[in-house]
Amino acid sequence: AQKITQTQPGMFVQEKEAVTLDCTYDTSDPSYGLFWYKQPSSGEMIFLIYQGSYDQQNATEGRYSLNFQKARKSANLVISASQLGDSAMYFCAMRPYFGNEKLTFGTGTRLTIIP
Amino acid sequence: DAGITQSPRYKITETGRQVTLMCHQTWSHSYMFWYRQDLGHGLRLIYYSAAADITDKGEVPDGYVVSRSKTENFPLTLESATRSQTSVYFCASSERSGANVLTFGAGSRLTVL
Repeated sequence: AQKITQTQPGMFVQEKEAVTLDCTYDTSDPSYGLFWYKQPSSGEMIFLIYQGSYDQQNATEGRYSLNFQKARKSANLVISASQLGDSAMYFCAMRPYFGNEKLTFGTGTRLTIIP
Repeated sequence: DAGITQSPRYKITETGRQVTLMCHQTWSHSYMFWYRQDLGHGLRLIYYSAAADITDKGEVPDGYVVSRSKTENFPLTLESATRSQTSVYFCASSERSGANVLTFGAGSRLTVL
């Protein structure tokens, strides 16, 4: 079974600063994908970034990057130059490549950007 | 319109009543999922389906029933609603394999009185 742990229930960050949201995971699957989703106050789930377990380089998507440390089983999301619109809930999730292929979520981190 | 749609978006019902939440996707994705979101728990998987006529339990399946007679539809039924089933329900779909992103519907907010 997979387990995702997000230890930061809430974070406050000054606008334009960089922020790191922590995520650790546990799995016995040899191949898996790691995902980050954003949920603004409007409620929809927005996909941000994906990292495959065999990818050699950390994933980047615009201002988002994923700091993937496989040996430590961590997949932290880094948001550079934070903006007010980044205020939202952020969920880390993982999914095995094969087998049950369910997406398992962490409990989320609520990020608030301070002007 | 292409995408994944959930209905109803909001529903209030009473304890003991049957409720069905609908989910429809237009991509012919093989996988479909139902999650519930509650404060402090994140999103928890209720049921998922790998293809038409194939369904499997997730983390919190008790009190729910699903079916998938067609690839594009994945309804979730609460046969006898309880107050503990008050939640926001999300449907999602994806292509097969863990490398593929799940795309979520807008969510259905259910209140059981």
